[in-house]
This record gives sequence, structure tokens and C-alpha cells, in this order.
Amino acid sequence: GEDVEQSLFLSVREGDSSVINCTYTDSSSTYLYWYKQEPGAGLQLLTYIFSNMDMKQDQRLTVLLNKKDKHLSLRIADTQTGDSAIYFCAASQGGSEKLVFGKGTKLTVNP
Amino acid sequence: DAGVTQSPTHLIKTRGQQVTLRCSPKSGHDTVSWYQQALGQGPQFIFQYYEEEERQRGNFPDRFSGHQFPNYSSELNVNALLLGDSALYLCASSLAGTGVLNTEAFFGQGTRLTVV
Repeated sequence: GEDVEQSLFLSVREGDSSVINCTYTDSSSTYLYWYKQEPGAGLQLLTYIFSNMDMKQDQRLTVLLNKKDKHLSLRIADTQTGDSAIYFCAASQGGSEKLVFGKGTKLTVNP
Repeated sequence: DAGVTQSPTHLIKTRGQQVTLRCSPKSGHDTVSWYQQALGQGPQFIFQYYEEEERQRGNFPDRFSGHQFPNYSSELNVNALLLGDSALYLCASSLAGTGVLNTEAFFGQGTRLTVV
């Protein structure tokens, strides 16, 4: 089955860009998502990309997809302390199909 | 729009007991999925309900069961609780079918279950 891997920790300074990386194994995954989880909270959908796209930009967020290498990244421009959270990459074979999550990357933004 | 709502928010149960968790999907959504998130881990898919039937199931034992009601709300039941069932249980709602509108799953705040 699908396996999704992420680095566990990332620390950046306020104002810098953050890049969170993710790899997945199943080439039939057609939808790739980024979710944000703040302490004690549920998951907030940040953005998603279809597998036939290379890039998607949404305000401060840029998602890059390398389908050949099955590599996904999330870039957060001008990172703020409020961006400190755990970020999950998830893959799905269809819009309403189950999501397979990575273990999450804990982003710490230092003032 | 209240989004996805789950109840209760926190729950403490004793080993061997049974528990029922509840979820109301986002308005307009007809599909409910349940996930278990252990501490420090990503969410793991338990099962999904659509048209009151279990549509997909992850690698969870039969102690985990569910139900979907005609109004699309759902329950997750866990029997014979084990210490290892302690986790955050997340409900996600989505719209079945294909197309742009069906790509997003929205999550509730979760129910924190502690088994002692």
C-alpha cells in the first residue's frame, strides 16, 4: 500500500521561507494534500495539488510536485510565529478516497 | 456553516469498556471517514461510510465498528477497550463522486480518548 514519508522537524527564523518535504510511494495517488495541525486541534486543510500539476501557488503557500520522483514540497514564504504547527502530507487515489498521512513535520518558527 | 463537529471533545474510559464517538459532517457532505491519531503519529484511516454503508476499511480489528444515519451523521464504536486505543479520533467529511468539489476532506477537532 501507499507509504508517505516526511522529515520530522524543521526550525526557521521568522521572516524566512520554510520548505517541508514529503515523498510517497504509490504512483496512482492522484491527489496530494497538505494539512496543518496546531496543538490540541484537528486538521486544517491548507492546500492540495492534482498529480497532473507541477506547481500550485496560494498566497504564501507554494506546492511543488515532482511526479517522477514522487516528491512533494510545501514552501511557506515569510514564515510567521503563527505558522508554528505540525504539517502533514497526505496522499489519496481519489477525491473521496481514504487519505494516507505521513507522520508530520513539526515546524518551529523562532522570533 | 458549523463545519465538522465531533462529540465529546474528551473522554476517559476504563480498559474493557465500550465507547461511542459522534460526528456531524459539514453541510452538503455525504461521506464520513474516521481516523485514529496516536500521540506523535499521523492519522490512520479506520473506515469510511457512504449511503449508510461501510465503503472502505483500514487495518483495524472488528472491535471498531461504525454507523451512518440518514442525515449523514456518523458514530464510531469501540468495544473491549485496550490501553493502546488511547488516541485522538478524527472525523472527516467529504462529498462522494468525482470533480473539483469532491477533492477536499474537512476534519473535525477530534475526540481525545484516554483508556486507563
